[in-house]
Amino acid sequence: GENVEQHPSTLSVQEGDSAVIKCTYSDSASNYFPWYKQELGKGPQLIIDIRSNVGEKKDQRIAVTLNKTAKHFSLHITETQPEDSAVYFCAAYSEYGNKLVFGAGTILRVKS
Amino acid sequence: AAGVIQSPRHLIKEKRETATLKCYPIPRHDTVYWYQQGPGQDPQFLISFYEKMQSDKGSIPDRFSAQQFSDYHSELNMSSLELGDSALYFCASSSGGLINEQFFGPGTRLTVL
Repeated sequence: GENVEQHPSTLSVQEGDSAVIKCTYSDSASNYFPWYKQELGKGPQLIIDIRSNVGEKKDQRIAVTLNKTAKHFSLHITETQPEDSAVYFCAAYSEYGNKLVFGAGTILRVKS
Repeated sequence: AAGVIQSPRHLIKEKRETATLKCYPIPRHDTVYWYQQGPGQDPQFLISFYEKMQSDKGSIPDRFSAQQFSDYHSELNMSSLELGDSALYFCASSSGGLINEQFFGPGTRLTVL
């Protein structure tokens, strides 16, 4: 089945700096890759996603890149703000597995 | 915009008791998913329903069952509760099948004593 690895597990950046979180997946049939932000005591919030027919997608300060050949995808947050501090999860969806498989999460701390 | 609603938000049960968690998807969403999230862990897929039929099963114990009703809300029934069942339980919904965006509810925190 699908296995998703996420790095780093924790990331501290200074306000205004960029943050990058990387994920790799094992199932070459996976074709949908969402990113979720989870704040303490809340449910995961979908912040951006990318499908396998696209290499990059951007939404304001957030961008995601996908390398299908290498089976990895990354989340880029520019001009980080204290409110970006949260746990970020990547996930991969395979039609064969028929479910979303999550990475272990990255705790992002933005220091002001 | 309307979001996924889950009830109750908090639930405390004794070992061997039963619990029922409810999920009300976003209006016009026809697919519901249940996840379990332990402390410091990622969400683990339990089960999903599409158009009131079970569509996939993950790591859901045999002690748990779920269904989706005609109004698309879903219930997760948990019996013979164990200490290890203490976790956050999330429901997510999507429109048009599993590959579409899943929107998560606020979760139910279940504590088994």
